[in-house]
Amino acid sequence: GDSVTQMEGPVTLSEEAFLTINCTYTATGYPSLFWYVQYPGEGLQLLLKATKADDKGSNKGFEATYRKETTSFHLEKGSVQVSDSAVYFCALRSGGSYIPTFGRGTSLIVHP
Amino acid sequence: SQTIHQWPATLVQPVGSPLSLECTVEGTSNPNLYWYRQAAGRGLQLLFYSVGIGQISSEVPQNLSASRPQDRQFILSSKKLLLSDSGFYLCAWTQIEGANVLTFGAGSRLTVL
Repeated sequence: GDSVTQMEGPVTLSEEAFLTINCTYTATGYPSLFWYVQYPGEGLQLLLKATKADDKGSNKGFEATYRKETTSFHLEKGSVQVSDSAVYFCALRSGGSYIPTFGRGTSLIVHP
Repeated sequence: SQTIHQWPATLVQPVGSPLSLECTVEGTSNPNLYWYRQAAGRGLQLLFYSVGIGQISSEVPQNLSASRPQDRQFILSSKKLLLSDSGFYLCAWTQIEGANVLTFGAGSRLTVL
């Protein structure tokens, strides 16, 4: 079945540092890939997505590229801010499936 | 535009009491609906999903149940709560076609004492 593996957190960075959160997946066919973000005490919200190989999703300075050859969708940001502190979830959805598959989430803590 | 509402936002219930969490979606029709649970410090656990009125699929056997009495209404219930039912409950919806982005509600935090 489908699965998503994320690096374990928490990831602790200083403000303006470079961020990478690794995500790899296993799926049949050609899934759509997503990053969701959850701020403290809130529900998840979509951060970015990519629907086919080599697509780059981007939003709010975050980027992730759909790499079919390495089955990866790593999240990056060049300069993090304190306000980026949150839990980040990588997810996929295979075509024809009603059920998205989520990683376990990676907590990011950014210090001033 | 589409919106999703969950209530109550917080709930403190004694063990053995009943539960009802409600979720409604506005601005769309025939959505897929989902209930997730997030225990403290852990990831998302899919509890139920529904692709239509009266159609409920359960992913995890437990003392919870779900119902979809109307197209855009999804209810999570329990007859007798357990301590292990404590957690953050999230409702979500997605369109059947398209990129299938999940849109989540703000969540309901349940504490069972």
